[in-house]
Amino acid sequence: QSVLTQPPSVSAAPGQKVTISCSGSSSNIGSNYVSWYQQLPGTAPKLIIYDNYKRPSGIPDRFSGSKSGTSATLGITGLQTGDEADYYCGTWDSSLGAVLFGGGTKLTVL
Amino acid sequence: EVQLVESGGGSVQPGGSLRLSCAASGFTFSSYWMHWVRQAPGKGLVWVSRINSDGSTTGYPDSVKGRFTISRDNAKNTLYLQMNSLRAEDTAVYYCARESKSGSDSDYWGQGTLVSVSS
Repeated sequence: QSVLTQPPSVSAAPGQKVTISCSGSSSNIGSNYVSWYQQLPGTAPKLIIYDNYKRPSGIPDRFSGSKSGTSATLGITGLQTGDEADYYCGTWDSSLGAVLFGGGTKLTVL
Repeated sequence: EVQLVESGGGSVQPGGSLRLSCAASGFTFSSYWMHWVRQAPGKGLVWVSRINSDGSTTGYPDSVKGRFTISRDNAKNTLYLQMNSLRAEDTAVYYCARESKSGSDSDYWGQGTLVSVSS
């Protein structure tokens, strides 16, 4: 099991909003930036949120990120069928000296 | 355009060795830290190693420490992962990834190369 905890799955209807949580501890999320990655079926991960809330160029503002204490949240509004993917949070753990990823959350757009 | 292209994957018996390569283009390779991340079939992402821009500093999780070695050739714009004493649990797609300048994420990823360890 991962040090960063994500729900295994979430689902919502097209056009709706969904949030994905990522829970950690003081040595990782609590003291370092969080990033989020989208992995479409059969493809490599793609960065969609960095430094807790920033979006890389080309990522629509339907995607948002936030962090509070030792938890982070990815939000997706106006869901589209093309958003169906696995989503991973990531951060650095200062105690372990390691990059950590959450276990991943499968998003289903019903 | 930033491109990362992995190669060197394949099938190997337990206890064997394999060297992965990642050819980088479209950016100043020698200015960036680089990572290897793996994903076992149907599982999540797991960090494998990282190396600083000049190759003088490396890092590994305990699961591969002492068995895997990351290195780079900045003259050839290529990242490597030497994997020794391979185990069945090392079976995965291996991705190379560029660490962003902010140092807190990986902003570009290769398409991955599959490593299969079985007898």
